[in-house]
Amino acid sequence: DAMVIQNPRYQVTQFGKPVTLSCSQTLNHNVMYWYQQKSSQAPKLLFHYYDKDFNNEADTPDNFQSRRPNTSFCFLDIRSPGLGDAAMYLCATSRWSRVTDTQYFGPGTRLTVL
Amino acid sequence: AQKITQTQPGMFVQEKEAVTLDCTYDTSDPSYGLFWYKQPSSGEMIFLIYQGSYDQQNATEGRYSLNFQKARKSANLVISASQLGDSAMYFCAMRAEGSTLGRLYFGRGTQLTVWP
Repeated sequence: DAMVIQNPRYQVTQFGKPVTLSCSQTLNHNVMYWYQQKSSQAPKLLFHYYDKDFNNEADTPDNFQSRRPNTSFCFLDIRSPGLGDAAMYLCATSRWSRVTDTQYFGPGTRLTVL
Repeated sequence: AQKITQTQPGMFVQEKEAVTLDCTYDTSDPSYGLFWYKQPSSGEMIFLIYQGSYDQQNATEGRYSLNFQKARKSANLVISASQLGDSAMYFCAMRAEGSTLGRLYFGRGTQLTVWP
């Protein structure tokens, strides 16, 4: 089945220790998104790729970076995690960016910062 | 700017009963899409149903239907014959023509609890 896969499902890191979260998709979708979701809140968009074009949300901290080496994979790098970065990180994809295009989400990576 | 409002932080329903989750939206774009997602405690965001702004008919997907009232700018989700597995957080979201690269705007969510 075509899907969005995120690894790992749970990640524990130490304060200030870099961490990388992975997302892959078999849907062959052009657009990939990274969201941050804190407890009892709606997902917050961090950035997205349209093919290889990177688009950063204005309020995304510089501490967060992303890479998309090919259509299938996208990575979220947190350079120096702080306690406030503990959250669920959701990857999503959509074929295009039209209003009719559904975003499909992966299972998420729950990040704990000690 | 686009905005989604979900005014019910929590809803309770008995198994096999129907429940309506409210969603209102605000946009100046004539073309937009409305989405409902379910998020169980495991965290995965599961797509349920879609309604386009130009669609004449209300969307239905199995036990899910969307009560779309364009003039009132509401897009309520109706779940018929609730099941225990329906207990989850439900998010209403919108994608508008003028949104940057089709970004989704989410409401704050409604926590649905189904009891036996």
